Amino acid sequence: QQPVQSPQAVILREGEDAVINCSSSKALYSVHWYRQKHGEAPVFLMILLKGGEQKGHEKISASFNEKKQQSSLYLTASQLSYSGTYFCGTENGGAQKLVFGQGTRLTINP
Amino acid sequence: EPEVTQTPSHQVTQMGQEVILRCVPISNHLYFYWYRQILGQKVEFLVSFYNNEISEKSEIFDDQFSVERPDGSNFTLKIRSTKLEDSAMYFCASSESGYSNQPQHFGDGTRLSIL
Repeated sequence: QQPVQSPQAVILREGEDAVINCSSSKALYSVHWYRQKHGEAPVFLMILLKGGEQKGHEKISASFNEKKQQSSLYLTASQLSYSGTYFCGTENGGAQKLVFGQGTRLTINP
Repeated sequence: EPEVTQTPSHQVTQMGQEVILRCVPISNHLYFYWYRQILGQKVEFLVSFYNNEISEKSEIFDDQFSVERPDGSNFTLKIRSTKLEDSAMYFCASSESGYSNQPQHFGDGTRLSIL
């Protein structure tokens, strides 16, 4: 069953913050976050493992709430380069199959 | 930085024809994957491959599809008799291992257009 991402789309001004959520009805082992720009391949951002770990990558960080089976991606002081579609991929053990959400389209305007 | 490479970047094929999509995974990676993305939609898992065997496959990966590692570097996806609905972007990915903490790195994809 695919994870559900919210919101489906976000429009921000440069410098604003955003939160993208990824929820699953199944128990998760890990959540993988990717960003995809139009016409390009998904680019790996980070992995969250079960245990509520929070990770960061420049001004992008994420958390994993095991009780809620939810991961959140935080984009702080957004830059124009952050524009794209963000996908979470969930994995239920084995890392052999990522099930992706429907994506969140993020648009950053100057 | 090592990367996954895919060829061709765009393939146009007549319906009913066979097509082979090629991938060169990152050299020290042991797990290989194929995903597809229909235009404007999410990325969908097709198959994972380890130690010259399919590890897992999705419902999409029916008898029309096959994967092979013909030599030490290439990983291929074959679609035997293409249908219009096979038109999509096909991504190859690879990871060092099958553990949950290992990222999958994606190639730039092959756009398959079925006429």
